[in-house]
Amino acid sequence: DAGVIQSPRHEVTEMGQEVTLRCKPISGHDYLFWYRQTMMRGLELLIYFNNNVPIDDSGMPEDRFSAKMPNASFSTLKIQPSEPRDSAVYFCASSPPRDRYEQYFGPGTRLTVT
Amino acid sequence: GNSVTQMEGPVTLSEEAFLTINCTYTATGYPSLFWYVQYPGEGLQLLLKATKADDKGSNKGFEATYRKETTSFHLEKGSVQVSDSAVYFCALSNAGKSTFGDGTTLTVKP
Repeated sequence: DAGVIQSPRHEVTEMGQEVTLRCKPISGHDYLFWYRQTMMRGLELLIYFNNNVPIDDSGMPEDRFSAKMPNASFSTLKIQPSEPRDSAVYFCASSPPRDRYEQYFGPGTRLTVT
Repeated sequence: GNSVTQMEGPVTLSEEAFLTINCTYTATGYPSLFWYVQYPGEGLQLLLKATKADDKGSNKGFEATYRKETTSFHLEKGSVQVSDSAVYFCALSNAGKSTFGDGTTLTVKP
């Protein structure tokens, strides 16, 4: 069974541009999480969904960040406009109904904003 | 609120040495506890978990016991290998959220 799939794996963009990160969770999982990892702040939960509905977005840094989950097999995290301080590795994770705390992480998207 | 405190790294060991990475937590209620491992360039992988007091999680020679009295979940391995070199994260989950520690980098030298 395929794991969590993220694209792109690497993204380099200029300040002010829009960035869209994509995630396909493991089939059958009904929780989806977006995390950001930086050296300074470690691993931060940005937002999570249950059955495609956003449950907690208190970790989203500001209005420039938005996330959607239009169906059970796809989610996006958008940054508009991007800033250099958004440079980080963004992880998507999903978890199954039997144990929503057992998270399976994707390989991450390394975002660099210049 | 919830918090996780991990032993600061980096930790450098020789192959076949004994490993302990300390983890303590603060949480309300009865959290589940986890150890994740992250290899270079990859996402976190679940290594082991424990869902209630006195449970022992184990996997690939690693072990950790949920100690409610000391609010700890220390990771141990009796004999480390070079392939165990990675970053290890302690985490807790409850009330619908997961909280991760800062990670401990382990380097095992031949």
